[in-house]
Amino acid sequence: GQNIDQPTEMTATEGAIVQINCTYQTSGFNGLFWYQQHAGEAPTFLSYNVLDGLEEKGRFSSFLSRSKGYSYLLLKELQMKDSASYLCAVLDTGRRALTFGSGTRLQVQP
Amino acid sequence: DSGVTQTPKHLITATGQRVTLRCSPRSGDLSVYWYQQSLDQGLQFLIQYYNGEERAKGNILERFSAQQFPDLHSELNLSSLELGDSALYFCASSKRTSGRTDTQYFGPGTRLTVL
Repeated sequence: GQNIDQPTEMTATEGAIVQINCTYQTSGFNGLFWYQQHAGEAPTFLSYNVLDGLEEKGRFSSFLSRSKGYSYLLLKELQMKDSASYLCAVLDTGRRALTFGSGTRLQVQP
Repeated sequence: DSGVTQTPKHLITATGQRVTLRCSPRSGDLSVYWYQQSLDQGLQFLIQYYNGEERAKGNILERFSAQQFPDLHSELNLSSLELGDSALYFCASSKRTSGRTDTQYFGPGTRLTVL
């Protein structure tokens, strides 16, 4: 089976940097995804990691350590519109479908 | 806009009824996934189809069924509805059945309310 843990809520200030952590346990690993979801809307794809290291995409970066079962999403130069839930999801080799964490609700304050 | 479409956007029905949710994947995508998102459960994988065939099953109830048609659109059928089935139902699509770089793109969802 799979187990994915993320903090439930985080608060940060506009213009700052925030790091959202995700730890996972899985029987077979085939990649980790981060999605952003505004309330009542569809999850939108942010990033994908399958190898160890940092992937950078504009203001968003994602890091993976497979040996530690750990990933983080780094958001720089926070904007008010970044207030949303951030979902960590693992693709395993067996089920071919994403298993999602419960999500981290980020509140960006002025 | 992800390119995945879902209808209807909202659905209100009564317990015991049956409903059908529809999804059209992005152009060129062969895989369709269905997810349920309720307030206390997060996003839960229900079922996956690839090019018309069922490929993976998650926590899908026996009262629920799905299919993917030759034109690749998919329908999720929910029957004998219960209050607890009230949720957002998302469809996602991707190019292949699995793969290291096979990103899933989500549709806008159908909000189902069972009264």
